Amino acid sequence: ILNVEQSPQSLHVQEGDSTNFTCSFPSSNFYALHWYRWETAKSPEALFVMTLNGDEKKKGRISATLNTKEGYSYLYIKGSQPEDSATYLCAFLQGGSEKLVFGKGTKLTVNP
Amino acid sequence: EAQVTQNPRYLITVTGKKLTVTCSQNMNHEYMSWYRQDPGLGLRQIYYSMNVEVTDKGDVPEGYKVSRKEKRNFPLILESPSPNQTSLYFCASSLSSPRTGGAREKLFFGSGTQLSVL
Repeated sequence: ILNVEQSPQSLHVQEGDSTNFTCSFPSSNFYALHWYRWETAKSPEALFVMTLNGDEKKKGRISATLNTKEGYSYLYIKGSQPEDSATYLCAFLQGGSEKLVFGKGTKLTVNP
Repeated sequence: EAQVTQNPRYLITVTGKKLTVTCSQNMNHEYMSWYRQDPGLGLRQIYYSMNVEVTDKGDVPEGYKVSRKEKRNFPLILESPSPNQTSLYFCASSLSSPRTGGAREKLFFGSGTQLSVL
């Protein structure tokens, strides 16, 4: 069973703070890494799909980096806003598989 | 509007009473999948489908059935629900399978079905 770990489990920050969290996955046979944003009472929405070692993706104030050799991805949020409050999920796809394996998520709360 | 439509949003039923959760997408996506979300666990895949008439088991398929007779629909069937199937269920679709690689493989999720089996 593949292990996809996200840390921290939850995070509270103040409005305006920048923050980051981690997704760890097996470093062997990497194929793709997805990031999703899941607001309470809504559906998860895709942020990024990353496939290459060293990949950096950016969407507004949110960015992500990928290190496939050491098996981790960071998600950064610059200048957090209350509307950034959500659970952030990563999902790992191993080569040869059709199954995305999700981590348990990092729940971010941004206090005004 | 491009979307994945999942029904019902909430369902309370009793043990053993067959039920179907419907899922439909209007984006001509090839790949569709069902997940369940339980407290303290990540999204776990139940079944997935690469295309019409092509389905395969995910990580937790026991007690579930699916069918893919048309490209747009992918219903989840619980023939004899049990209390351990109480969960939040999500249907998702993508343009092509995750292995194709790249942004086309991002998943679009339905609004979720909260199922309680008494």
